[in-house]
Order: sequence, then structure tokens, then C-alpha cells
Amino acid sequence: QKEVEQNSGPLSVPEGAIASLNCTYSDRGSQSFFWYRQYSGKSPELIMSIYSNGDKEDGRFTAQLNKASQYVSLLIRDSQPSDSATYLCAVNRGNQFYFGTGTSLTVIP
Amino acid sequence: NAGVTQTPKFQVLKTGQSMTLQCAQDMNHNSMYWYRQDPGMGLRLIYYSASEGTTDKGEVPNGYNVSRLNKREFSLRLESAAPSQTSVYFCASGRALNEKLFFGSGTQLSVL
Repeated sequence: QKEVEQNSGPLSVPEGAIASLNCTYSDRGSQSFFWYRQYSGKSPELIMSIYSNGDKEDGRFTAQLNKASQYVSLLIRDSQPSDSATYLCAVNRGNQFYFGTGTSLTVIP
Repeated sequence: NAGVTQTPKFQVLKTGQSMTLQCAQDMNHNSMYWYRQDPGMGLRLIYYSASEGTTDKGEVPNGYNVSRLNKREFSLRLESAAPSQTSVYFCASGRALNEKLFFGSGTQLSVL
């Protein structure tokens, strides 16, 4: 079983809609959770971090964590074409980060 | 503020050749990492360094060696390159082991 699983997509949403990205993780000892955005040919850049159950909002982005269900999600409100990228879920446990394979998002103008 | 700087950006090697990928960070971070990214495999940890003077193996260390030269610099060496090491390599750093990572721009390596 993979440490972190994501639906690879592609996920397509119209401009202005809400994009919902999901991630599950296998180890209940996981401590901190991150969402990275990666444009094609570029390096990952941090969007959100979340450490406790519930929602965390930052501008158009909301991260949601449910440790009981071992589930992390990212909502992008008012999606823009510039949000088109691959979104990586990352989980920290002990000394290491574990990354999902990413979900490809396309926002259609 | 440069952040995490990797060199080179592109490299082509022949099987059996050696090379060193360089990484430096100017954020005074304690932890540094080397990842490789392959299609469908995601980011996989090769080696990491929790602090100056320490290094540890990650998920895929075979065929690689690392050196934490000082707090700023963490290099990755391929002693005898193999086609299976064709990948995009990312260096990353973080203030501590469980804190968010900042990535360099990556090295596209092809081994023929």
C-alpha cells in the first residue's frame, strides 16, 4: 500500500468553479500535511500546510484534514486558468516526507 | 533571495560516467534533501541530512552518495551512472525535519 494516494486525474473545471483535490494516507502516525503545486517543467512550490483536524483557509485555497479518516483535501475557489498545474499531496512522518503522484488540474477558460 | 540553488540544470551522461549534482541554500535551514521525480512514481527520497554532519538514506539510495559539506551545501554523487538513473532531481531544504520544504529548480539528467 502506498504511503500517500491521489487520483491522478486529469481533473477539469471551468473558470470560476471550485476545484476539489483529494488525498489519503496510510500511516496514522503521520504528523503534518502539505499541498504543493507544480507547473510543467518546474519545481514544486508550497501552497498550504495543515497540522490539525479541520479546515485552514488562505485566500482562494482551503485545506481540510480528517485524521480519523486519514484524508486530506484541497479546495480551490474561483478557479483560474493560472491554477492549471499538478497538485502534490505530501505527508510528514518522522524524518521523512512522502509524496503522492499528483493530480493534474486543468481550468478551462 | 536565491532560496535553493541547484546546478547543473541539464546533464547528459554515458553509462558508467560519474557526476556530482550541487545544491546550496541561503535560508539557514538545518535539513536538506535529494529527491528524484519520475513519471507515475512521484517524488522519491534518495538521501537526506537532518543537520550539518549527518546524512541518512531515504527510499531509493542505491547508486548514489551524498555529502553535507556545510550547513548551506548538500551534494549528490553518481559514481557510475546507469540508464535507470535518468530522472529529474530536486534538492530541497527545510528549517527542521518535519517542516515545509523549499525546492530548487531541478536537474534534468539523462543517462544514455
